[in-house]
Amino acid sequence: QSALTQPASVSGSPGQSITISCTGTSSDVGGYNYVSWFQQHPGKAPKLLIYDVSDRPSGVSNRFSGSKSGNTASLTISGLQAEDEADYYCSSYTSRSPLSVFGTGTKVIVL
Amino acid sequence: EVQLVESGGGLVKPGGSLRVSCTASGFAFSNAWMSWVRQAPGKGLERVGRIKNKGDGGTIDYAAPVKGRFTISRDDSKNTLYLQMNSLTIADTAVYFCTTEPLHLNWGQGTLVTVSS
Repeated sequence: QSALTQPASVSGSPGQSITISCTGTSSDVGGYNYVSWFQQHPGKAPKLLIYDVSDRPSGVSNRFSGSKSGNTASLTISGLQAEDEADYYCSSYTSRSPLSVFGTGTKVIVL
Repeated sequence: EVQLVESGGGLVKPGGSLRVSCTASGFAFSNAWMSWVRQAPGKGLERVGRIKNKGDGGTIDYAAPVKGRFTISRDDSKNTLYLQMNSLTIADTAVYFCTTEPLHLNWGQGTLVTVSS
């Protein structure tokens, strides 16, 4: 099962909005509304930001939003802050074992 | 408060075996689906496999790179998830996280497994 494709890095200035893409196939991203997004700071465990394409767990800032069109999902971070500098991973349910696949990861750089 | 604590990582030679554990607290572990996710140094996340709760059949799914070498199991009486790793290769070097399914909402801190001669 190949990883979902994400850009290696995305950068923006404080206060700006940035969008990270996550491209898969009709067997994963395009076929199901089960896309999640995770934030990971160095040396830490990932943190769930978005699930089921656009839902936020309790406690996650509304500056993070998710969407999907066809085989591509997107995470938008609004009002970029220094603390948002981290690695971001998407994940999707897939019809193939082990029934879940992660993206390649995107490093967000706050200029 | 949900807590997941992994243990058992360490240095092992290629071809060797190791078992890592994940002890859970703060939620009904016996009802939970759980998974192992690994992250090689400087690399991305990779789901190793998932185990359902016994009520849902206890089904286990594995990623292709570990199928036949790794075994996921659980002891609900001890609130513990296990990952038995056999025939280890250098490519299995990673931090191994346990996480709750299906959303990966809760994660442990991870345990480092290093395969090296």
